[in-house]
Amino acid sequence: KQEVTQIPAALSVPEGENLVLNCSFTDSAIYNLQWFRQDPGKGLTSLLLIQSSQREQTSGRLNASLDKSSGRSTLYIAASQPGDSATYLCAVSPAPSGSARQLTFGSGTQLTVLP
Amino acid sequence: SQTIHQWPATLVQPVGSPLSLECTVEGTSNPNLYWYRQAAGRGLQLLFYSVGIGQISSEVPQNLSASRPQDRQFILSSKKLLLSDSGFYLCAWTLVQQAQYFGPGTRLTVL
Repeated sequence: KQEVTQIPAALSVPEGENLVLNCSFTDSAIYNLQWFRQDPGKGLTSLLLIQSSQREQTSGRLNASLDKSSGRSTLYIAASQPGDSATYLCAVSPAPSGSARQLTFGSGTQLTVLP
Repeated sequence: SQTIHQWPATLVQPVGSPLSLECTVEGTSNPNLYWYRQAAGRGLQLLFYSVGIGQISSEVPQNLSASRPQDRQFILSSKKLLLSDSGFYLCAWTLVQQAQYFGPGTRLTVL
C-alpha cells in the first residue's frame, strides 16, 4: 500500500527566503506526482504535475523535482512571500492498473511566511 | 476552460437527516470524478470515484453513497447522517494522464 509522507508538518520562514518542502513515497511505481496548495477553508489548487518520466517542472517561483527511484519529491519556492502561506500537499498516482488514477495524499506541510 | 462547481458551500444538518451534495464539471467530457473527505486535522480520504456514467467505486465502507446520473454530474448522498460524517467534502475531476482538479468544497457540520 502506497504511503506518502511530508516533512516538516509545519514551517515558518521570513519573507524573501528560499525554501524546500519534502515529500516521500514508499512505492516507486507511480504514474505521476502532483503538488497542491490549500488555503484555509478552500479547495485544493493544483500547482505542478510531474509525470514519472520527468525530473522536474517549473512554474514561476515554484520548482518541483522528482526522484522516482528513491521515492522523493521536493517543492522549491523561491523568494517566498506572505501570500505563499498555505498548506502544501503532494499526491502520487499509481502506475497504470486501470483508468481511475486514484491519488494518495500526504498530510501536508503548513507554511507560514512572515512579513 | 474547465470549471468545477460544488454546492452547497456550507451545510448544517442534524444527526439522522438525509444528505445530498452535488458536483458538476464544465468544459470537458468523460472525466473521472472523485469525492474526498477532509476531516479536521486529518488528511484527504478518497470516498468514491467514477470512470463513467453509472460506474461508482467505493473506497471506504460507510453510510454514504454516490451516483453519477450524467457525464459531468457527481452526487454524494446519505439516508441518515452520523456525527462522524462532519467534514470538508471535496469533489475532483481528471482526464487520463492529466492533473487532478478540485472544486471549492462543501463544509458539512452534523449536530
